Amino acid sequence: GAGVSQSPSNKVTEKGKDVELRCDPISGHTALYWYRQSLGQGLEFLIYFQGNSAPDKSGLPSDRFSAERTGGSVSTLTIQRTQQEDSAVYLCASSLEGAKYEQYFGPGTRLTVT
Amino acid sequence: AQKITQTQPGMFVQEKEAVTLDCTYDTSDPSYGLFWYKQPSSGEMIFLIYQGSYDQQNATEGRYSLNFQKARKSANLVISASQLGDSAMYFCAMREGSGYNKLIFGAGTRLAVHP
Repeated sequence: GAGVSQSPSNKVTEKGKDVELRCDPISGHTALYWYRQSLGQGLEFLIYFQGNSAPDKSGLPSDRFSAERTGGSVSTLTIQRTQQEDSAVYLCASSLEGAKYEQYFGPGTRLTVT
Repeated sequence: AQKITQTQPGMFVQEKEAVTLDCTYDTSDPSYGLFWYKQPSSGEMIFLIYQGSYDQQNATEGRYSLNFQKARKSANLVISASQLGDSAMYFCAMREGSGYNKLIFGAGTRLAVHP
């Protein structure tokens, strides 16, 4: 079946502009996660959604970052007034219910802020 | 304090040899899960193996095995019979608690397999 998809694959934007990144999780996966990976670094957690519960936003680095998940499926990560330090690969993952299940990652969106 | 520590920024191994990638973790939660992911140069994250904190036996998946030493809080990945295609970044990650939760990643180890 289809994996996690993300769009766009690459995004170049000017400092100060807003951007929206999209994630389509695997069908049937109730949990959805956003991470970001700066060049040569490990993954940094941003936010996750689980079913109808309130999202865990504890990893969002500033109030310029927000995310929503509509209808328990597609998610959008929005970064307002982008800064150069926002440049990174933004990865989305989804998983089945249950602690032992791995998270399946999408191919990521490479964001470059000029 | 670092939750996940990978002390080897880079490793190399000869093709067909075995290699161990180190990972130590820190948590006070008795229920947790440990994961290893592979990230080739193409960038995708590929799940390799999972170990639950209550699992009695070390996890194995094909050529991958996890050397889980709970008292030492280590979860080293062992790759047997290395192949050229194993050259990649390898990340150790931990999920705390028994339900949904974020993964906390280490900084990664870059493995190079030499012919």
